[in-house]
Amino acid sequence: DAGITQSPRYKITETGRQVTLMCHQTWSHSYMFWYRQDLGHGLRLIYYSAAADITDKGEVPDGYVVSRSKTENFPLTLESATRSQTSVYFCASSDTGRAPYNEQFFGPGTRLTVL
Amino acid sequence: AQKITQTQPGMFVQEKEAVTLDCTYDTSDPSYGLFWYKQPSSGEMIFLIYQGSYDQQNATEGRYSLNFQKARKSANLVISASQLGDSAMYFCAMREGYTGFQKLVFGTGTRLLVSP
Repeated sequence: DAGITQSPRYKITETGRQVTLMCHQTWSHSYMFWYRQDLGHGLRLIYYSAAADITDKGEVPDGYVVSRSKTENFPLTLESATRSQTSVYFCASSDTGRAPYNEQFFGPGTRLTVL
Repeated sequence: AQKITQTQPGMFVQEKEAVTLDCTYDTSDPSYGLFWYKQPSSGEMIFLIYQGSYDQQNATEGRYSLNFQKARKSANLVISASQLGDSAMYFCAMREGYTGFQKLVFGTGTRLLVSP
């Protein structure tokens, strides 16, 4: 039972480069989320998706793009990386089948450094 | 306006003692859910406990309990009989709405250190 995986786990890139962070879940959960974690801010929602081909912005979407062509994958792309996007990125998934909890299950995170 | 407030950046507790981690929230939605997650030094986020706004009783999961005071809009996590492995960051989070879209808003976290 692989659960939810993220790749790469660590990434160093340079300002202005495009970077894609991958997220894959094996549970067929409907909902998927991308968060960033920064000291003093907790986790902030970047984008979310309720199903394949349905995505929407979260609290901090600027500079990010997402897509969801398949239920199990939810890649996050930084079109032109900036130093302020240095962070730890978490992907999460959840499903309505566990109401009312519907807790989110998190991937292991990707630590991204933008030089 | 901040929806989830965790006012304790760090807490210390001795092994086998109980500890309370504070969380206050702000919402005008009568239907909401409150969550606590644990983040050990390894980095993963682990779901601990859930409390629904209509739940009559405080949630409990093993050594974790949630002290839910609706009128005060607080949802404090109580860890009984602390263990060294409880040392971690703890995040309180809220979901507005009972079901459906499950967007979570997180607090800034409390770092708990359990000493022998």
